[in-house]
Amino acid sequence: DTEVTQTPKHLVMGMTNKKSLKCEQHMGHRAMYWYKQKAKKPPELMFVYSYEKLSINESVPSRFSPECPNSSLLNLHLHALQPEDSALYLCASSQGDRGSEAFFGQGTRLTVV
Amino acid sequence: AQKVTQAQTEISVVEKEDVTLDCVYETRDTTYYLFWYKQPPSGELVFLIRRNSFDEQNEISGRYSWNFQKSTSSFNFTITASQVVDSAVYFCALSAYSGGSNYKLTFGKGTLLTVNP
Repeated sequence: DTEVTQTPKHLVMGMTNKKSLKCEQHMGHRAMYWYKQKAKKPPELMFVYSYEKLSINESVPSRFSPECPNSSLLNLHLHALQPEDSALYLCASSQGDRGSEAFFGQGTRLTVV
Repeated sequence: AQKVTQAQTEISVVEKEDVTLDCVYETRDTTYYLFWYKQPPSGELVFLIRRNSFDEQNEISGRYSWNFQKSTSSFNFTITASQVVDSAVYFCALSAYSGGSNYKLTFGKGTLLTVNP
């Protein structure tokens, strides 16, 4: 199983809503990632979890709150988002070392209204 | 700091043509890895190839081949006999040390490849 599963695939939320994005992998990978991708731009790293601990936070606003309940699951909690936060949110996992390839999910297309 | 430059924003070819995607990188790391990913309209990034900084041997895998030249910091990717299904955005990426025990994957801006029938 080389799949990273993200839910939901699409999400529309208001600026006062609270929602969560979910990501799951069963490849035994020790590192999991959240990326944000705007249209016609490359993915931008948001957070990295290594062995279920947050190891990189790329100065992401606190309205994005990551959580890693266990080694297979990664959540991204959203609260009080702005319309400019609308983007494709990609989850990925890897073995965590420098040379290991990352496996990406299909992403959640988020629209903030 | 790491940087990846893909100078070609868009490329359009006719099916069966060969196409080369260019990638130039910058890093102070002596050990690093380079990757090519493909992103079709569905959104998922698909891993294609990987090369480490110590191995400059160029290889061919099916219709894909790559040319890694450390002297010019380039990692170019060629698709032979392109097909319509190859239409996608292609990202070159660099994995290098980012402090502590962490490594970061830095992406280029991507090249949109359109293969016309």
